Amino acid sequence: EAQVTQNPRYLITVTGKKLTVTCSQNMNHEYMSWYRQDPGLGLRQIYYSMNVEVTDKGDVPEGYKVSRKEKRNFPLILESPSPNQTSLYFCASSWSENSPLHFGNGTRLTVT
Amino acid sequence: SQQGEEDPQALSIQEGENATMNCSYKTSINNLQWYRQNSGRGLVHLILIRSNEREKHSGRLRVTLDTSKKSSSLLITASRAADTASYFCATDARRTGGGNKLTFGTGTQLKVEL
Repeated sequence: EAQVTQNPRYLITVTGKKLTVTCSQNMNHEYMSWYRQDPGLGLRQIYYSMNVEVTDKGDVPEGYKVSRKEKRNFPLILESPSPNQTSLYFCASSWSENSPLHFGNGTRLTVT
Repeated sequence: SQQGEEDPQALSIQEGENATMNCSYKTSINNLQWYRQNSGRGLVHLILIRSNEREKHSGRLRVTLDTSKKSSSLLITASRAADTASYFCATDARRTGGGNKLTFGTGTQLKVEL
């Protein structure tokens, strides 16, 4: 089954404790992207990747890192999480940057 | 600011009625996409309409695009309780510095009551 898999589904952590949210897709998509969703603000892009070893900042990249060492994986790294990063995070992939996106089921992160 | 703005923010209808949601945007686009999100879950792509298209159908969905007014509408006919979800428009436009960017609106929450 074609899918984007994110883990974990829920995560509660404390300020400053490094964490990684994993994302993997099995559709051989070149384009991958991370979004955060906050009430009243819709989805905002954090980082995106056009292909392996090619990543770039989206609209709200501060406090986040990503890597794209393999085509299928695109982890999101929070080196020192802060409470304002409490949000619902989505990973998505597609054939190209203007093709329909396939989304993962989300990771709800709470930083206390 | 958001490229796409949906209207209304929330809509409540009876099963069997039609639901219409609107999306307005600000800049020239390559295409416009509609997505659906069930509560807290990932978004699911519904339909894509290119800038040179005016209308597109997919099952009970009808999307129109008016580039002169920079607006689009999503019509769901004969709605069902299972259509209850949030609906988002997303505009694909040129990104400053090159490439394309998909920007999401804040969504319309649709509730279909039995």
